[in-house]
Amino acid sequence: RKEVEQDPGPFNVPEGATVAFNCTYSNSASQSFFWYRQDCRKEPKLLMSVYSSGNEDGRFTAQLNRASQYISLLIRDSKLSDSATYLCVVNKVNDMRFGAGTRLTVKP
Amino acid sequence: GAVVSQHPSWVICKSGTSVKIECRSLDFQATTMFWYRQFPKQSLMLMATSNEGSKATYEQGVEKDKFLINHASLTLSTLTVTSAHPEDSSFYICSAKIRDHHTLEQYFGPGTRLTVT
Repeated sequence: RKEVEQDPGPFNVPEGATVAFNCTYSNSASQSFFWYRQDCRKEPKLLMSVYSSGNEDGRFTAQLNRASQYISLLIRDSKLSDSATYLCVVNKVNDMRFGAGTRLTVKP
Repeated sequence: GAVVSQHPSWVICKSGTSVKIECRSLDFQATTMFWYRQFPKQSLMLMATSNEGSKATYEQGVEKDKFLINHASLTLSTLTVTSAHPEDSSFYICSAKIRDHHTLEQYFGPGTRLTVT
């Protein structure tokens, strides 16, 4: 079983749609959680951290369920510029594990 | 702030040659740097963790004699792919953690695309 599992997609959605990504992790000792965004042939860039209480940043909402070892990302009112691969990242100290990523394409 | 650079951004080399990739933290000191490799349509795989002034810690399955890592200063780590072969062609990305910072966040370099012919 992979340490971090994501639905690879691809998700093809129209502009303005709401889309949700899920991620599960296997190591219950994981301490921190992130969503990164990676554009084609570029390095990953931090989108947002994920907290148990849930957190929101504009159109993006992240949730963490430690009991189920499950992380989610919700994108509302999707834009063309949201097209990218979204990486779920789970971290212990000096040990960051990446999911394979979920590819999103937002179409006009 | 927290900018990490890599050089070169892309390199093509012949099979059997060695390639050195540099990773620099430009505006902060990094006690710990990480080297990742990413094959097409796959996730980033951690290759090794590099601490300034000490030997790198390699992940299982990564040959330390083939992927030489040197972290001689708080702002520079190098990865040398020795005797490169076509199967080493990949996207190599480094990241760094800010020295003495409590956050677990890592800052990524722009990556180096290596093609071995």
